[in-house]
This record gives sequence, structure tokens and C-alpha cells, in this order.
Amino acid sequence: RKEVEQDPGPFNVPEGATVAFNCTYSNSASQSFFWYRQDCRKEPKLLMSVYSSGNEDGRFTAQLNRASQYISLLIRDSKLSDSATYLCVGATDSWGKLQFGAGTQVVVTP
Amino acid sequence: GAVVSQHPSWVICKSGTSVKIECRSLDFQATTMFWYRQFPKQSLMLMATSNEGSKATYEQGVEKDKFLINHASLTLSTLTVTSAHPEDSSFYICSASAGGTYNEQFFGPGTRLTVL
Repeated sequence: RKEVEQDPGPFNVPEGATVAFNCTYSNSASQSFFWYRQDCRKEPKLLMSVYSSGNEDGRFTAQLNRASQYISLLIRDSKLSDSATYLCVGATDSWGKLQFGAGTQVVVTP
Repeated sequence: GAVVSQHPSWVICKSGTSVKIECRSLDFQATTMFWYRQFPKQSLMLMATSNEGSKATYEQGVEKDKFLINHASLTLSTLTVTSAHPEDSSFYICSASAGGTYNEQFFGPGTRLTVL
């Protein structure tokens, strides 16, 4: 079983709508989590860090549920530029080694 | 934000040659750098973790003699793919971390390697 699992999607979202998706993790020792976005053939870019119960940054809200071991990402008022693959990432050890999910593809349509 | 550069951004080489990829943290000192490989439509796979001045720690299944990593300073790490073969063709991405409580990693733009 993978340490971080994500629904690969794609999630097809009309422009302006809200989309949310989850990521589950198996290692209860995971200390911090991140959402990265990756555009096709580009490097991942940090979107949000999630340390406690959640985080909000503009149209993006992340929530962490340690009891059920999942992290969610919600995107409000979707823009065409939000189309990307969103990578859920957990960090477990003191060296910062990351465990990547395979990504959830989001496609925002006009 | 923290900026990480990689060079070259793409390279095409003949089978059997060696290719060196550089990763630099431009505006911060990176205590730890990571090297990843990503195949099409797959997630990033960690190859190795390197700390300045010490030997890299390789993930299981990654040949350390084939993928040579040098972390000579707090701002530079290099990955050398030795005797490259077509199956080594991939997107290689480095990341750098300044440490601290949360250890955010910042990624370089990646190097696309094609071995003919």
C-alpha cells in the first residue's frame, strides 16, 4: 500500500465552481503535509503547507484530519489557471524526506 | 520565495555517455538537497537525499554507482548519470530545504534527459 494515496481524477470543474478532493496517508507519524501543484512537464510548486488542523490561502483551503488520516484541498471560484495536477505530500522524518501522492488532476473548463 | 535553479533544463545524449546535472539554491543555504525522478504520468520518485559535506543516502533500488551525487556546498549539488542508457531517460528534479521546523522543499525547474 502506498503511503500517500490520491484519487487520480480528472476532476472536471466548470469555471467559478468549487472542487474538493482528499488524500489519505498511512503513516500516523507523519508530521506535516503539503499541497503542491504541478503543471504538465514542469516542477512542483508549493501551494500550501498544512501543519495543524488546516490552512487557508485565498481561494484554497486545506484541512487535516489526523484521526481519519486524510488531508483535503478545496478550491473555490475555480479559475482556468487552476488546471493542474495537485500533489499531496507528507513529511515524516527530521531530514524532511517527503512522500508524494501520485496526484489529482483538475481540469477547469470555461 | 526560495529559488532553486537547475542546469541544464534539457539534454539529449548518446547511450554510454555521462551527464551532469547541477542544482543550486540561489537565495538560501540548503542544508539538504533531494534528487527525484519522474516518469510520464507518474509521481515523483525520490532517488537520494544529500547533505552538504557527507555522502548521499540512496533510496532502495537506486544504484549509487550509476547516479553519483555530490553536495559540495550549501548551495550546490550535482547529479551525474554515468553511462546513460535509454531507460534512464526521464525528468530529473532536485529540491532544496533550508531545514527548520517544517522543512518545506523548493523545487528546481527540472532537467529532461533523453538518451538515444
